[in-house]
Amino acid sequence: QQQVKQSPQSLIVQKGGISIINCAYENTAFDYFPWYQQFPGKGPALLIAIRPDVSEKKEGRFTISFNKSAKQFSLHIMDSQPGDSATYFCAASKAGGYQKVTFGTGTKLQVIP
Amino acid sequence: ETGVTQTPRHLVMGMTNKKSLKCEQHLGHNAMYWYKQSAKKPLELMFVYSLEERVENNSVPSRFSPECPNSSHLFLHLHTLQPEDSALYLCASSQSVQTPYEQYFGPGTRLTVT
Repeated sequence: QQQVKQSPQSLIVQKGGISIINCAYENTAFDYFPWYQQFPGKGPALLIAIRPDVSEKKEGRFTISFNKSAKQFSLHIMDSQPGDSATYFCAASKAGGYQKVTFGTGTKLQVIP
Repeated sequence: ETGVTQTPRHLVMGMTNKKSLKCEQHLGHNAMYWYKQSAKKPLELMFVYSLEERVENNSVPSRFSPECPNSSHLFLHLHTLQPEDSALYLCASSQSVQTPYEQYFGPGTRLTVT
């Protein structure tokens, strides 16, 4: 019940296209859903996050869509650029006290010119 | 130095060796974490420290021994490791253990056990 399932495992997108990564969770107690971006040789970095009281959050070219009833959330990268090539991890956490973050398995995105 | 730093960046050790990984955070955070990252698997939380006190030990084998001498430094002492322990070991910090999702990660130590 603590798992976060992420797909696809890898993704190749043409420059200028839309990259879409999907995640699903089981635990309805999760109430914070961050996405992390990891470049080769670097640790993951927090990219964007959403709480379940909103259905969408946009920051620049990155948008999180959240479907509470389906227990799914997704990351959309608009106008994908070669510099976006990285591994993306979705995650989920509960607020209040100490609650560890549950991570997805990661999606390796390659944006080709 | 800024952010979270880790040394060494790469480590090759035999199964009978003893080595230590070092992490330092320059962010004034109160919580520090060790994670294991293996290919195609979710990040595995190993240990969590809050103000130098361990708050989580996630069923990690005793051949991994953490140490947190102060809120800025975290060590992972390694001894008699197994080949399956080869992975990227990530250190992270956050303002407090109540905001673990706002973690700042170091670049990791790539560990190879031969």
